[in-house]
Amino acid sequence: DADVTQTPRNRITKTGKRIMLECSQTKGHDRMYWYRQDPGLGLRLIYYSFDVKDINKGEISDGYSVSRQAQAKFSLSLESAIPNQTALYFCATSDLRGQGSDEQFFGPGTRLTVL
Amino acid sequence: GEDVEQSLFLSVREGDSSVINCTYTDSSSTYLYWYKQEPGAGLQLLTYIFSNMDMKQDQRLTVLLNKKDKHLSLRIADTQTGDSAIYFCAEEGGSQGNLIFGKGTKLSVKP
Repeated sequence: DADVTQTPRNRITKTGKRIMLECSQTKGHDRMYWYRQDPGLGLRLIYYSFDVKDINKGEISDGYSVSRQAQAKFSLSLESAIPNQTALYFCATSDLRGQGSDEQFFGPGTRLTVL
Repeated sequence: GEDVEQSLFLSVREGDSSVINCTYTDSSSTYLYWYKQEPGAGLQLLTYIFSNMDMKQDQRLTVLLNKKDKHLSLRIADTQTGDSAIYFCAEEGGSQGNLIFGKGTKLSVKP
């Protein structure tokens, strides 16, 4: 079974609709992240959370909100979707301990299309 | 601000070496990373290098780090068609504690 799962994997919606993307992890990591990937723009950080009570805005948080329901769950919401939010969305987790490297583990991605 | 730059495309023939280059801005990064994204999949950590090292070798992969020039490179020896993917360079995001990714280099391997 995958360590980081995302639902749905694909979603097509209309402008103005509210959408929630969900991420679950079984790695027991404290840190979770939401990125979006656009062609030619790489990965951009939307929000990140270092534990259940610690949520931070990333580079491009406008138009998005998040909820860290539990250590294992981190959801991303688009309150009123717009076409330029069409992208591939990735959830990731990491668990920086001591002096180790901060490897991030990625989910399979959610392809969102806003018409 | 923090920024990571990479060229967007690289094309090589099977069996040749591939060199993917990256420049970064945050000299305080403790680690620098290379992630690989295969078509239709998420990113996976390929390798990383500690900032006090100049080189790290792992089988067909060689990472070179020039801290003075803030330049990182990934060399893939004997490149295979299965190496075709997008390769992302990443640095640590300083006070934010996250990773800053480059835009990714799409490696195409021709038979």
